[in-house]
Amino acid sequence: DAKTTQPTSMDCAEGRAANLPCNHSTISGNEYVYWYRQIHSQGPQYIIHGLKNNETNEMASLIITEDRKSSTLILPHATLRDTAVYYCIVRLIQGAQKLVFGQGTRLTINP
Amino acid sequence: DTGVSQNPRHKITKRGQNVTFRCDPISEHNRLYWYRQTLGQGPEFLTYFQNEAQLEKSRLLSDRFSAERPKGSFSTLEIQRTEQGDSAMYLCATCPTGKDEQYFGPGTRLTVT
Repeated sequence: DAKTTQPTSMDCAEGRAANLPCNHSTISGNEYVYWYRQIHSQGPQYIIHGLKNNETNEMASLIITEDRKSSTLILPHATLRDTAVYYCIVRLIQGAQKLVFGQGTRLTINP
Repeated sequence: DTGVSQNPRHKITKRGQNVTFRCDPISEHNRLYWYRQTLGQGPEFLTYFQNEAQLEKSRLLSDRFSAERPKGSFSTLEIQRTEQGDSAMYLCATCPTGKDEQYFGPGTRLTVT
């Protein structure tokens, strides 16, 4: 699987949009971008995934650049409960089923 | 709560003892995964089942580790002759047919003394 690069940590004020970047410059055409988060002492939680179009769900938006070499996860109105480690993962559409987690970004939402 | 349950939630054992963890998936989720997470690191894949068939095993899964999923329902992960390096959070995740999102359980935290 392609590797991803994320900032180690980020801070965001409560109520503001949190924009989490991810670099996946070696992504191939048959790989999706997935985002998971892990709140302290819990298992990871699926957020969103996409191939090449921007995606939005009730939790977040995913913006993927046209060349697909990077993406941004947007939490539109961050709350204290969004404090977590956010993992950007690149994964084959078919074949390998496992998730390969990196170090992630530790996002802290400040009151 | 994702609906994936894991038991026990915490286990403290002495080096050399055997331990077994259980994962109960969301009903009808045919794919089941085990991951291990050490402090400060992201989860690492251990093994994967589709129904009762174990389709992939990581090289992290030494011969002291064994996983089963009889009848394609719950799964167990056993560690024999535990070592201090086995101390970690063991996570189970399941995935429904036709979907790619994995739903994680709360994990079992193992401490080997």
